Order: sequence, then C-alpha cells, then structure tokens
Amino acid sequence: NAGVTQTPKFQVLKTGQSMTLQCAQDMNHEYMSWYRQDPGMGLRLIHYSVGAGITDQGEVPNGYNVSRSTTEDFPLRLLSAAPSQTSVYFCASSYDGRGFSYNSPLHFGNGTRLTVT
Amino acid sequence: AQTVTQSQPEMSVQEAETVTLSCTYDTSENNYYLFWYKQPPSRQMILVIRQEAYKQQNATENRFSVNFQKAAKSFSLKISDSQLGDTAMYFCAFITNYGGSQGNLIFGKGTKLSVKP
Repeated sequence: NAGVTQTPKFQVLKTGQSMTLQCAQDMNHEYMSWYRQDPGMGLRLIHYSVGAGITDQGEVPNGYNVSRSTTEDFPLRLLSAAPSQTSVYFCASSYDGRGFSYNSPLHFGNGTRLTVT
Repeated sequence: AQTVTQSQPEMSVQEAETVTLSCTYDTSENNYYLFWYKQPPSRQMILVIRQEAYKQQNATENRFSVNFQKAAKSFSLKISDSQLGDTAMYFCAFITNYGGSQGNLIFGKGTKLSVKP
C-alpha cells in the first residue's frame, strides 16, 4: 500500500540545469497535483490534472511543465532551474476526478526538497 | 480573491493541556469544505479533520475538534490533551467549486505548534 510516491527526496541543481520530479500513485486516483511549499507561504498549487491526458495550470505554473500519460504518473519538469525554484515540492492525489472533496480528500507524497544554486 | 489567514505563526502548549489554532478565510461561495492538515518534522502532510460548510455541527476526531463559525468565516482547531507527537506545522485549507469544475485547495501559511513536556 504505497500511496503517493515521490522521487527523489532531495536534489541539488545548478542554475540552468533541467530535471524531472517523479510522482506515482497506486490508488487509481483521477486527480493529481503539484504544490510547492516555501517558508511563510504555505502551499501553492503549480499544476494539476483531472485524468490521463488532461493538465491545467495552478497558481504558480511558470518555469514548470507537466504531462499525464498514465493515470498513475504525474511528473513535474523544470526545464531551466532557477534559484527561485528552491523549495519543497509535494505531489498529491485524490480519487475524485473533479478535484477533491470532503469524501475524497487529498493524499500527499512525502515531498522533494530541491535546492538550486 | 479567496484567501486563508492563520494569524498565529507560532504557538506552544504544555503537554496534556488544550490549545486552539485560529483560521479565518474569505470566500463569496456558500458551499465549500474546510480542512486542517498537520505536517510533522517528517514533512508528510496528514489530514487531521474536515468540515462541510453546510453542516452546522462541528466536526470532531478524537482529541481534535473544530469551532466553525460560518458567518464569521472562522474555522479554529482545538487540540485537547496535547501530546508531544502533536508538535508540527498545522495548515488550514478550504476548497470551493465542489461538484462543478475542478476544485483546488487553498492553504493558509501555517502555524508552528510546539508541545512542551
């Protein structure tokens, strides 16, 4: 019963490098999302998906790309990392493809701490 | 704009005592859902308690309860018999748009709670 799995747990990048943060869930959830967490800022939504082949932007999408080729996976790509992207990134999923609700709350992964120097 | 405000950046409480974390929100919607999430030092996001806005009865989950005041747009969390394991960041969050288009969770900036032995 893995739930939401994020890899890697930690990553250090140099400015301009690219990388992909992986997120996989084994609960057959329709809805998946990416948040970033910065000190004093709470969690802010980057991108989300309500099903395979469907993605949309959240509050802070610039500098990030996503795709959803399968129900299970929702990778987050940084094409050219910048110091402003230093943050903790969380992937979250929910059963309800319309988003989530009282009866279909978000399940979070354990986060990836990314540092861009 | 829909916002969530947690006015207490940090709080502390003695073990076995009771503490209340405050949360206010702003929305023009009438139907929405409210949540409290806990983030211990392990970084994992854990759902603590949830409340449906159309229900007047306050939600309870063991030692955790809420005081939901819809007119005042207030959703405070009370932790009774505080335990050392309650030490964590606590985030208040809400979602509208349920039943319609995709809903996205809006988080407050968090309250850091320390339980002292």
